[in-house]
Amino acid sequence: DTEVTQTPKHLVMGMTNKKSLKCEQHMGHRAMYWYKQKAKKPPELMFVYSYEKLSINESVPSRFSPECPNSSLLNLHLHALQPEDSALYLCASSQEGGQPDSPLHFGNGTRLTVT
Amino acid sequence: KNEVEQSPQNLTAQEGEFITINCSYSVGISALHWLQQHPGGGIVSLFMLSSGKKKHGRLIATINIQEKHSSLHITASHPRDSAVYICAALDRRGAQKLVFGQGTRLTINP
Repeated sequence: DTEVTQTPKHLVMGMTNKKSLKCEQHMGHRAMYWYKQKAKKPPELMFVYSYEKLSINESVPSRFSPECPNSSLLNLHLHALQPEDSALYLCASSQEGGQPDSPLHFGNGTRLTVT
Repeated sequence: KNEVEQSPQNLTAQEGEFITINCSYSVGISALHWLQQHPGGGIVSLFMLSSGKKKHGRLIATINIQEKHSSLHITASHPRDSAVYICAALDRRGAQKLVFGQGTRLTINP
């Protein structure tokens, strides 16, 4: 069982829909991450939150909007997505961002299909 | 050329064989992760190491900082080890950014 919980597991949405992906951890981790993974490719970093503040945005289009309401929760709000945004969206957390002794814990991901 | 290169890209072996997956990197790193991803998506962190060798059950990871090379070994492989194994370097330049290898798809046949 993973200690990082992502919901929903699967999501199908139209290009005009608004939806949100949710991620939760109760390990006291202060860094949380969103990754996007296309089939047979490694994950690509999207956003990093450190101490509830956005510290890295990897030039992600504005149709993806992250939110960190508190230290345990991370959301990814989706609006006006394109079919090419269909992918596995992975959340991860670590005790401290970027520290050599701070391993990453991943969720099981949300498989998103945009129709 | 990718900053993190893995080999082989695909590996098929028989149950019981000793498995080695290699990872070479060209960036300065503060740590290196070995990750396992099963079909269906979830990623499990197997090891994070910055020097030497770590062992967990049948899995062993080594890193040689001078040669910028790491290996993941699986002893007495089992079909349940079938997964994609990903090496990811924690780039010293970008404190929170992992640079991922392309992954090695391992299949262990019974």
